[in-house]
Amino acid sequence: NAGVTQTPKFQVLKTGQSMTLQCAQDMNHNSMYWYRQDPGMGLRLIYYSASEGTTDKGEVPNGYNVSRLNKREFSLRLESAAPSQTSVYFCASSEDWAAYNEQFFGPGTRLTVL
Amino acid sequence: AQSVTQPDIHITVSEGASLELRCNYSYGATPYLFWYVQSPGQGLQLLLKYFSGDTLVQGIKGFEAEFKRSQSSFNLRKPSVHWSDAAEYFCAVGAQAYNNDMRFGAGTRLTVKP
Repeated sequence: NAGVTQTPKFQVLKTGQSMTLQCAQDMNHNSMYWYRQDPGMGLRLIYYSASEGTTDKGEVPNGYNVSRLNKREFSLRLESAAPSQTSVYFCASSEDWAAYNEQFFGPGTRLTVL
Repeated sequence: AQSVTQPDIHITVSEGASLELRCNYSYGATPYLFWYVQSPGQGLQLLLKYFSGDTLVQGIKGFEAEFKRSQSSFNLRKPSVHWSDAAEYFCAVGAQAYNNDMRFGAGTRLTVKP
């Protein structure tokens, strides 16, 4: 079991460029999440997918879009990258959408926007 | 609004010394409480969690945490720290009453001196 995998591990973009971060899980989890991690701010939820076919905004959704491609895969898209989106991005999954469920995290993508 | 506070940004302890990391939360509903650890360059891994019952919970790697409802705290402890414990530690709180929203603290970075 690979758990939660993310690609790419590192990315440098210029302002205005677009890119998609990929995430996949092999634990047959129903719920998936995208977070960003910034120094001194912990993890903040960007978007989540409570179950296949649904997506919802989290705490900081502006500038991002997501797609739940199937039960395994959940991608995050930056349509027009801005320096404020420089961050480390984590994908996570959990058995289902409940506050008591442990979340399993991928290794992260470090994104720099110049 | 719900919030999670980790008052200590950075803590340094000597190897073999005891450790306590603080976490305070502000939630209007009964919370579910978690501690995660992030080693450098890695995703987050669950150390322990509290839902109900015994307020002292045991986790992996010799960690424990105590829930104190009267103080709205969930502090993490370890009797004897090992060099491999150097990492960043995140407290997280979730509540079904808040749409299963999980909030993370800003994190505490632990340095272990030889």
